Order: sequence, then C-alpha cells, then structure tokens
Amino acid sequence: DAGITQSPRHKVTETGTPVTLRCHQTENHRYMYWYRQDPGHGLRLIHYSYGVKDTDKGEVSDGYSVSRSKTEDFLLTLESATSSQTSVYFCAISEEGVEQFFGPGTRLTVL
Amino acid sequence: EDQVTQSPEALRLQEGESSSLNCSYTVSGLRGLFWYRQDPGKGPEFLFTLYSAGEEKEKERLKATLTKKESFLHITAPKPEDSATYLCAVPHSGGSNYKLTFGKGTLLTVNP
Repeated sequence: DAGITQSPRHKVTETGTPVTLRCHQTENHRYMYWYRQDPGHGLRLIHYSYGVKDTDKGEVSDGYSVSRSKTEDFLLTLESATSSQTSVYFCAISEEGVEQFFGPGTRLTVL
Repeated sequence: EDQVTQSPEALRLQEGESSSLNCSYTVSGLRGLFWYRQDPGKGPEFLFTLYSAGEEKEKERLKATLTKKESFLHITAPKPEDSATYLCAVPHSGGSNYKLTFGKGTLLTVNP
C-alpha cells in the first residue's frame, strides 16, 4: 500500500462521541487525502492537504475536520459522530498531485 | 459539474472471455484519467494514467484506452484473479491540486 498505514482499521463508536482516524505515510509525499466510500456513492473526497498545515475541503466535508502538523501524518476528526458517518474511510497520498495511492482503509460504525 | 459514469455496473465473464469496461466523463480540460482496481476489503490499487486521446497503456491482460469522451479498459482472456471492482477517476475541472472525481465502479466477476 505504498507506505501508507491507517489506524484504527476498525472502530465501533456511539453517536455523539468524538472519533479521530490517523493516516501515516513513509513516502514523504506532499499531498494527502481523506475519502469515504459508501455503496451507491463511490469514493468521495472529504478533505485534503497540500502541505504541512495546509488543508482544504472536499465535496463532503461537513461534520469533519482535519489536521496535518507533520508531513507524514494526516488526521481526520469527527467531532460528534453521527450514524450517517458510518462508512469506510480511505487515506491517499500523492507526490505531485497526480497519481494517488491509497491506504488499506478504516471501517467505522457509528451506532 | 464534473461527472464520471462507469458501465456496466456489474459484469460476469467466463475465464478466457474477453470484454471491455467503459468510463465516460464530462469535464472541461481533461488533465488525466486514472484507472484503479479494488479488491474486497482493500484500498484502490493504482493501474494506469492516461493523458491524451489516442493514448494506450497495458499491464498483463489489461489495456486502457482514451478518447475525448470516454475511456475503455479492455480485459483479454481474463482469469478468476482479475475479479475485482474497477474504478476510473478524473481530476476536477480547474484548480491544481488534482482532486479526483470517481465513478461508482464496475464489479467484474470472472468464473473459472
């Protein structure tokens, strides 16, 4: 998976609790992305980062925040999880913003 | 609005039966088209990038082609291990960050 790890790989949580997902890369790539994948919707971009402390919103960013304090780590936070955020979350990295390489994913269930 | 449509949604083939998957797109100023393979429970795996109409890329039994309106992923003499969901994606119109719009994918099943 191109030197990308995601943690946790699986998480079950309750509505209203905060959740943080971590993406870690060893490739020193500039760009990092968070996607969610849902049946019938495909992959949708949540947030992305184009450098340390440089982030921007994707198409489904409501209810999510991100932080990138180091090149290798990109965190996705759900401040107050809702059932509609039950999904599989993928992190991706890209050296120059062209080909993106994906991590193994985190399956999140919000009860 | 950028759109990527993949067809068919699902395709079932017998081993050795060649076929093609389609990815049509509406985006102004295409800056590349990407194909990925995704196995169940895993992240998408990068396959190809195509940049201009007429370009072709090959990898084992897969060949990707690009026209001004669509891309095809041709699968020649498929094997059961080619079973997966195949995704295509294009960068958003405008901008320089290569945010991608993905199609919903084609689920390919190859029976022995």
